[in-house]
Amino acid sequence: ETGVTQTPRHLVMGMTNKKSLKCEQHLGHNAMYWYKQSAKKPLELMFVYNFKEQTENNSVPSRFSPECPNSSHLFLHLHTLQPEDSALYLCASSQVGNSGANVLTFGAGSRLTVL
Amino acid sequence: GDSVTQMEGPVTLSEEAFLTINCTYTATGYPSLFWYVQYPGEGLQLLLKATKADDKGSNKGFEATYRKETTSFHLEKGSVQVSDSAVYFCALFSGNTPLVFGKGTRLSVIA
Repeated sequence: ETGVTQTPRHLVMGMTNKKSLKCEQHLGHNAMYWYKQSAKKPLELMFVYNFKEQTENNSVPSRFSPECPNSSHLFLHLHTLQPEDSALYLCASSQVGNSGANVLTFGAGSRLTVL
Repeated sequence: GDSVTQMEGPVTLSEEAFLTINCTYTATGYPSLFWYVQYPGEGLQLLLKATKADDKGSNKGFEATYRKETTSFHLEKGSVQVSDSAVYFCALFSGNTPLVFGKGTRLSVIA
């Protein structure tokens, strides 16, 4: 496996379900990110982890709970979601701290539908 | 704060037409600039980048020049193909916060 892998690619859940999205990066990067992409809206940064520590949480509702057990894995735990949470959830990774630009590598995304 | 403004889409072109997607930015200091592309059903991929003024990024026939005087990084391609149909995102990185993205411009190329 190379790059950034997200599973599942598609998920349908009811509002009372609990599910998790998984992201794994095989690039040796030290930072990982969750983005939300909704139709007709800009890309929204949700969470950032640098060296497994959460460094950013952009006012995301508590029904979204991230977990970063190590620098290669990132989870997004979902609980009691609303239909408006239906979106494409994108994971990305990067190597922070280089003198060069912070280039993100994205996964293919997990398409979530909340009924 | 840092921000990126790119032209509203969608943009519809015939095959072999010339493409320009405008992007301007606001940032403190000297940011790095990027274009990402998202093909249908996929995540974003880095298309090209430029890290300092007057740099030209290029890839797959696409080009963009970092213009500090006009704070712009317009994306161009001389002859588009149907396979270029995608959403294009301009982005900047100024070192203080994660990448800042524009809203995206959808390009449709028809044969």
